[in-house]
Parts: sequence; C-alpha cells; structure tokens
Amino acid sequence: QVQLQQSGPGLVKPSQTLSLTCAISGDSVSSNSAAWNWIRQSPSRGLEWLGRTYYRSKWYNDYAVSVKSRITINPDTSKNQFSLQLNSVTPEDTAVYYCARDLRLLYTYYGMDVWGQGTTVTVSS
Amino acid sequence: QTVVTQEPSLTVSPGGTVTLTCASSTGAVTSGYYPNWFQQKPGQAPRALIYSTSNKHSWTPARFSGSLLGGKAALTLSGVQPEDEAEYYCLLYYGGARVFGGGTKLTVL
Repeated sequence: QVQLQQSGPGLVKPSQTLSLTCAISGDSVSSNSAAWNWIRQSPSRGLEWLGRTYYRSKWYNDYAVSVKSRITINPDTSKNQFSLQLNSVTPEDTAVYYCARDLRLLYTYYGMDVWGQGTTVTVSS
Repeated sequence: QTVVTQEPSLTVSPGGTVTLTCASSTGAVTSGYYPNWFQQKPGQAPRALIYSTSNKHSWTPARFSGSLLGGKAALTLSGVQPEDEAEYYCLLYYGGARVFGGGTKLTVL
C-alpha cells in the first residue's frame, strides 16, 4: 500500500522560501511508472497543480506557468522522498499543500491515485 | 491560460441521478485529456474516483461512472446516497501540465 507523508513548517514569512517534503512508502521516487506532484488548495484558487518530478532514464520536471519562476521540485533518492521549494512567497501563497502520485503503467494513465495528508501553510509576518 | 470549468453547485435527491460536467477552454474534451474525477469532503484530501475518462479505482463505488458527453468529461452518480454530498473536482492532462476544474459542490437534499 502506497502512502505519502508530508512534513514542513506551517508558517512562512513573506519573501522567504516555502519548503515541504513528501516521504514515500510502498513505491519508489525513481519509479519509471510514477510522477510525483505538488498541488495546493485555497478558497480563492481552488485546487491548483504546481508541478511534478519523474524519472524516465533521467530526471524530468514540469511546472505550472503560474509559479514557474519561483518553484523547484527535487527528488531525494537516498530518502525516497521529494520536496517542494517555493521562493519569494506572499500571502497569496497561503494554502493547503498536497503531494500526490500520478501513475502510468504501459499506456494507461491511472491518475493521481494516492495523496498526502495535506499541510496548511500560512504566509504571514 | 487554460481554464477547466465545472458547475459550481448541483442538488440531487437521495436515490436520484446527477451528472457533473467538466469543460476545457481549449475545446472539446477527449480521451486524450485523460479525465480524472475526485471527491473531497471537508477537512480531507481529495480522493480519486475515476481515471482516464471512465475507469474506476478499486475503491470507487459502482454508482459512480465517468464518460464523455457533448465535448465534456462527465461524472454520473446513480442512486445517490447521503454520503455522496461533497465537492467534486475534475482534472485534465495537457501534455506535461495538469489543470483542475473549479469544483462542483454537490448537495444531497
């Protein structure tokens, strides 16, 4: 059974960097069948996909246009986890942040089938 | 910027049938957008219901079904139960990017 466990601070000051980690159990961050995503949710923006990292003989990333200049998603193979860094945050980045697995086996996309528990992050001084 | 649109709210009676839809600002939704559907209840993470248009996860109740309808992705609930009251979100794949719909608040009344 695949599980994702999120960790990270719940309060970040404006202009600083938001950092969260998603630890994977039951699967591998280096899997050739999965992509590892960050999503956030706020009343004003709803569910917003932020980006993903995945391994297909080498590492790839895709990022949402809305955060592309500020976001980095990195895998950590030694700890079987991946992380989110969002720079130069403002109060608009206040949201519940989720990590999720996006599974593809052969030609079938199984979608975002496993989600982390969510982390509420508030951007405030 | 791509926008995915859902009905903001719908109401259905217990035992009834309701269809939620998911439209793309880029045009007709096809199977190539691999529509996903999620259910979310207050204080919980979204739970996956449907993948690749019409496929159910092992935990998805039989009363949920997905399809393409009139150029949109659709989620139909047949024989609605009180516990189906929740927010429902669709997700579409645009190459390497993913875009969520704004969600439909389903009330069972």
